[in-house]
Amino acid sequence: GAGVSQSPSNKVTEKGKDVELRCDPISGHTALYWYRQSLGQGLEFLIYFQGNSAPDKSGLPSDRFSAERTGGSVSTLTIQRTQQEDSAVYLCASSQSRTGGFLPLHFGNGTRLTVT
Amino acid sequence: SQQGEEDPQALSIQEGENATMNCSYKTSINNLQWYRQNSGRGLVHLILIRSNEREKHSGRLRVTLDTSKKSSSLLITASRAADTASYFCATDERTTDSWGKLQFGAGTQVVVTP
Repeated sequence: GAGVSQSPSNKVTEKGKDVELRCDPISGHTALYWYRQSLGQGLEFLIYFQGNSAPDKSGLPSDRFSAERTGGSVSTLTIQRTQQEDSAVYLCASSQSRTGGFLPLHFGNGTRLTVT
Repeated sequence: SQQGEEDPQALSIQEGENATMNCSYKTSINNLQWYRQNSGRGLVHLILIRSNEREKHSGRLRVTLDTSKKSSSLLITASRAADTASYFCATDERTTDSWGKLQFGAGTQVVVTP
């Protein structure tokens, strides 16, 4: 079956504009994660969804960042009034519901965001 | 903040040699995972080791875990050019929440030359 799909794959935007990044998880995966990866760096946790609810939003860098998930499937990460420091690769991952142990994450190929 | 820290940051070896990289972490964990990332791609899960396990094998991969030292190692035996990638450890922290936050390190960049 299809893996995690992210769109767009690349996004160049001007400072101050809003952007929306989309993630289509693997069908049936109830858990969805957003991470951010800066050049040559590890992954920075942003937010986690279980179904449509987000038990942990602690990683969102500022109130310019928000995310939602509808129908327990597609998720959108929105960055308002983008800044140059927002430039990074935004990775989405999904996994089956966590019961009795952690299941591996399946990652998309990411959206490379460049803020000019 | 990052939980795991990989060492070395970069590793260059020739085909057929073994590659060893280490990961240190700070808090108690439920499990530790290793992921691989090819350039421009997402991460791919390689292997998971639980906190009550000390060693695990998968094909040419061998992972060890020492919870007393809060460290893990990943060994790739008989490396191939196709093993060229960045390798990340990720820890599933033991918290009172119903799920563990998977924290990734900065990765080890491995280059295998033919």
